[in-house]
Amino acid sequence: EPEVTQTPSHQVTQMGQEVILRCVPISNHLYFYWYRQILGQKVEFLVSFYNNEISEKSEIFDDQFSVERPDGSNFTLKIRSTKLEDSAMYFCASSRSTGELFFGEGSRLTVL
Amino acid sequence: SQQGEEDPQALSIQEGENATMNCSYKTSINNLQWYRQNSGRGLVHLILIRSNEREKHSGRLRVTLDTSKKSSSLLITASRAADTASYFCATASYRGNTPLVFGKGTRLSVIA
Repeated sequence: EPEVTQTPSHQVTQMGQEVILRCVPISNHLYFYWYRQILGQKVEFLVSFYNNEISEKSEIFDDQFSVERPDGSNFTLKIRSTKLEDSAMYFCASSRSTGELFFGEGSRLTVL
Repeated sequence: SQQGEEDPQALSIQEGENATMNCSYKTSINNLQWYRQNSGRGLVHLILIRSNEREKHSGRLRVTLDTSKKSSSLLITASRAADTASYFCATASYRGNTPLVFGKGTRLSVIA
């Protein structure tokens, strides 16, 4: 069964460093998302991407964040200069339409 | 915000009992979805109910939707220890490709 894959599963970085989280969505899906979940808390929307551009973004998704779909299969989230409060689990999701989302297993980011 | 809010925050039951979780939201929706998350893992879609539906079943899951009260419930019948997880409701608005907005989740513990 097709699935969303995310790498790395865990990344530890120093405050101020750049981080790139990678996702391979399900191949025939058209909508792509990044969510994050601080440990034990709610799942927060960051950004949605459709037709090669950002369709929606939340207040969390400030200038330090960017997304790219560089080669038609990967979907990346970049954090330019990480802060301690960026420590969280980052989930990529994709969907065929505006219904069910398929989530990856997440990338745990720890900022020291 | 149309954010769903689950109730209770935590629920502990014996194996074989039924578990009921509730979700309330604030604005008009196109559909409401329930997801499950095992500890440290990605979210898995369970069931989607559209705004013109009142009840839906899938295996041991039963979901109801009351749009007049802006609320939904998820019933898991004959619970098993493997049902132990966090359960989230998520709402989708009518407005194009708006992202799913998740609640804080209900942590269900099923004791064998």
